[in-house]
Amino acid sequence: NAGVTQTPKFRILKIGQSMTLQCTQDMNHNYMYWYRQDPGMGLKLIYYSVGAGITDKGEVPNGYNVSRSTTEDFPLRLELAAPSQTSVYFCASSYSAFSTDTQYFGPGTRLTVL
Amino acid sequence: AQKITQTQPGMFVQEKEAVTLDCTYDTSDQSYGLFWYKQPSSGEMIFLIYQGSYDEQNATEGRYSLNFQKARKSANLVISASQLGDSAMYFCAMREPAGSNYKLTFGKGTLLTVNP
Repeated sequence: NAGVTQTPKFRILKIGQSMTLQCTQDMNHNYMYWYRQDPGMGLKLIYYSVGAGITDKGEVPNGYNVSRSTTEDFPLRLELAAPSQTSVYFCASSYSAFSTDTQYFGPGTRLTVL
Repeated sequence: AQKITQTQPGMFVQEKEAVTLDCTYDTSDQSYGLFWYKQPSSGEMIFLIYQGSYDEQNATEGRYSLNFQKARKSANLVISASQLGDSAMYFCAMREPAGSNYKLTFGKGTLLTVNP
């Protein structure tokens, strides 16, 4: 099992450009999440999904969009990149929403907006 | 108020010694989960250990154990017999019941350095 995979690993964008961060999991997990990690900080939730076709906002959704057309894939879209979106982005998944259920993370995408 | 507090920005330990990384949390829920993740310099987030709020025994996973003191709302990570490869950032996180966007709330982390 590959677990949670993310592409690309690194990306540099110019202000105003758009891009999609890809996330795929092969664990048949229903729940998927996007977090961002700013320097010296823990992770903050951007968007999450409880199943194919169902997504909702987290703590810091502004400037991002998501879709979930399949169980496996949960892409994150940046429409008009801004320097404040320079961060490391992590995708995660879990089997359930129970507070006891572990979230497993992908390797991260390091994004710089100049 | 912060929900997860890690008061040690950095810790040093000698190889083969034990080290405790502190974590206190704040919640009014009765059902919650506490997690520790390791983030090496390569950047990935690696799940280490989990403790449920109703678990009476402290969780253990190999050299990792969680010192769970519910009344004090603390969930400290103990690493026994430290190895050079344990040098990394360690994050404590809490997951509360649905209604909190299912998210994990993370502390700011503790950078552990293991000296030879």
